[in-house]
Amino acid sequence: DAGVTQSPTHLIKTRGQQVTLRCSPKSGHDTVSWYQQALGQGPQFIFQYYEEEERQRGNFPDRFSGHQFPNYSSELNVNALLLGDSALYLCASSASGVHGYTFGSGTRLTVV
Amino acid sequence: EDQVTQSPEALRLQEGESSSLNCSYTVSGLRGLFWYRQDPGKGPEFLFTLYSAGEEKEKERLKATLTKKESFLHITAPKPEDSATYLCAVQAEGNKLVFGAGTILRVKS
Repeated sequence: DAGVTQSPTHLIKTRGQQVTLRCSPKSGHDTVSWYQQALGQGPQFIFQYYEEEERQRGNFPDRFSGHQFPNYSSELNVNALLLGDSALYLCASSASGVHGYTFGSGTRLTVV
Repeated sequence: EDQVTQSPEALRLQEGESSSLNCSYTVSGLRGLFWYRQDPGKGPEFLFTLYSAGEEKEKERLKATLTKKESFLHITAPKPEDSATYLCAVQAEGNKLVFGAGTILRVKS
């Protein structure tokens, strides 16, 4: 049974560009959350999607946006990239009403 | 504001030397406290969920405990393969997890 799948694994972008990261949740999970983890820090909550709607959002600017598709997969979009956006972006999936999150291996984004 | 503080930031142990990691939290309406293990360049791997003060859970050499203010992750007779970053997180109102910065554990043989 596949866990959470994220793509790509690594990405290098230039300041000002836009990026899209993708996530396929674990089978049976319908809720997807995105986290940003800077080097040496714990993950920071970006937002969560359920039933194709953003259900909760962390303290991130509007440059960060997302989408959830009918098959529960999700995308994270970041516009106007800044050097400070360089981080490991983690996707976590869960089943609604059930505690516990399964994380993917992440996408390492480097902004130069 | 929900907050999680982990200590120490880093811990070096000899193989077989038992110790504990601390997670202090401030949260309104705790719905769960989570422990994760994270290897370099990888996503967090779930270890335990604790829900109420007094609860304890064990898995191999690891044991997690919970009080009203903090949680401990006890590591008994660690091995080099236990080396990783251990993350603590709380789930409060809503569904987001609030993480601490983690404790980097190195176990030398």
